[in-house]
Amino acid sequence: GAGVSQSPSNKVTEKGKDVELRCDPISGHTALYWYRQSLGQGLEFLIYFQGNSAPDKSGLPSDRFSAERTGGSVSTLTIQRTQQEDSAVYLCASTRQGPYNEQFFGPGTRLTVL
Amino acid sequence: AQTVTQSQPEMSVQEAETVTLSCTYDTSESNYYLFWYKQPPSRQMILVIRQEAYKQQNATENRFSVNFQKAAKSFSLKISDSQLGDTAMYFCAFTPPYGGATNKLIFGTGTLLAVQP
Repeated sequence: GAGVSQSPSNKVTEKGKDVELRCDPISGHTALYWYRQSLGQGLEFLIYFQGNSAPDKSGLPSDRFSAERTGGSVSTLTIQRTQQEDSAVYLCASTRQGPYNEQFFGPGTRLTVL
Repeated sequence: AQTVTQSQPEMSVQEAETVTLSCTYDTSESNYYLFWYKQPPSRQMILVIRQEAYKQQNATENRFSVNFQKAAKSFSLKISDSQLGDTAMYFCAFTPPYGGATNKLIFGTGTLLAVQP
């Protein structure tokens, strides 16, 4: 079946512009996660959705970052007034709800802020 | 704070040989889950193997096995009969079993494994 998809694959933007990154989870997966992978770093958690609500936003680095999920499916991560330090690969993962379920990852969006 | 440490930024192994990647973690939880993920150049994260902390037996998946030492908080990955396709970044990750809550993964910084022909 179809896996997690993300778009765009790559995004180059100028400092100060807003960007939107999209994630399409696996059908039927109620839990959705966003992670950020900076150069030379591991992945850091950004936000978690259960259905359309986000009970854990603790990883969002600043108020320039926001995310929403509609219809319990597609999620959009928005970064306003991008800064060079926002350059990273943004990964999305989805899973069935439960204490021990594999997270399936998308291929990520590589964001470059000039 | 819960942390995961991978002390080997890069490793190299000859094809068909065995290599072990190290991972240590820090938590006050008694039950949790540990994972090894593989990230090839395509960026697609792929689950390699997982271990439940309350299970004593080490997990095995074909050529991949773990050495889980709960008291030492160590979770190493052994790759036997290394293949060129094993070349990738390997991440160790941890998640506590919060049940209906976040279950977010906490990752180490990764080990870049190069399999040489």
